[in-house]
Amino acid sequence: DSGVTQTPKHLITATGQRVTLRCSPRSGDLSVYWYQQSLDQGLQFLIQYYNGEERAKGNILERFSAQQFPDLHSELNLSSLELGDSALYFCASSVQIAGAETQYFGPGTRLTVL
Amino acid sequence: AQTVTQSQPEMSVQEAETVTLSCTYDTSESDYYLFWYKQPPSRQMILVIRQEAYKQQNATENRFSVNFQKAAKSFSLKISDSQLGDAAMYFCAYRDAYGQNFVFGPGTRLSVLP
Repeated sequence: DSGVTQTPKHLITATGQRVTLRCSPRSGDLSVYWYQQSLDQGLQFLIQYYNGEERAKGNILERFSAQQFPDLHSELNLSSLELGDSALYFCASSVQIAGAETQYFGPGTRLTVL
Repeated sequence: AQTVTQSQPEMSVQEAETVTLSCTYDTSESDYYLFWYKQPPSRQMILVIRQEAYKQQNATENRFSVNFQKAAKSFSLKISDSQLGDAAMYFCAYRDAYGQNFVFGPGTRLSVLP
């Protein structure tokens, strides 16, 4: 158990809909990352937040957005869903160990768009 | 842009034997971090080992060790005394020193034969 929690574990929805994925980082971790893992694209970095502020942006679609709240939990919002958005979405929180940042991944949320 | 290559889509090893998973990367940076993550059937991403590019000494973590060749941009993972629980997908990952770029390889599926 990494200490990172994600809800829900599974989500099934229809095209055109909007969903929110939630992540709670490990206690004390200020950074949260979001990743998408699909069969054909592998693991893709989406976005990073640090203490409530956006820090880095990867391959995140404009239909997707995220935020990190004062209690450090984060939400990833996916809108106008398409079939291709079906994937496993991971959240990770990070900590500095000996000067290097190490990420700990949550169990993921499996999104199925029908 | 940085890229990470894992040339072995699948590998197998006999229980108690040693196996080496390959990873090469491309970067123009001199300071960065490298990671190996394990993804078992549960799909959770688990940090196995990490290496700082400025350290010449290869990282070790119990039965896991790396062979980091900076000039060759190679970062292989050696698993000694393989156990059935080591069966998983293994991802090599690169992260730059500024935390702006986190790139994963396509993964190597490792099977452990009893």
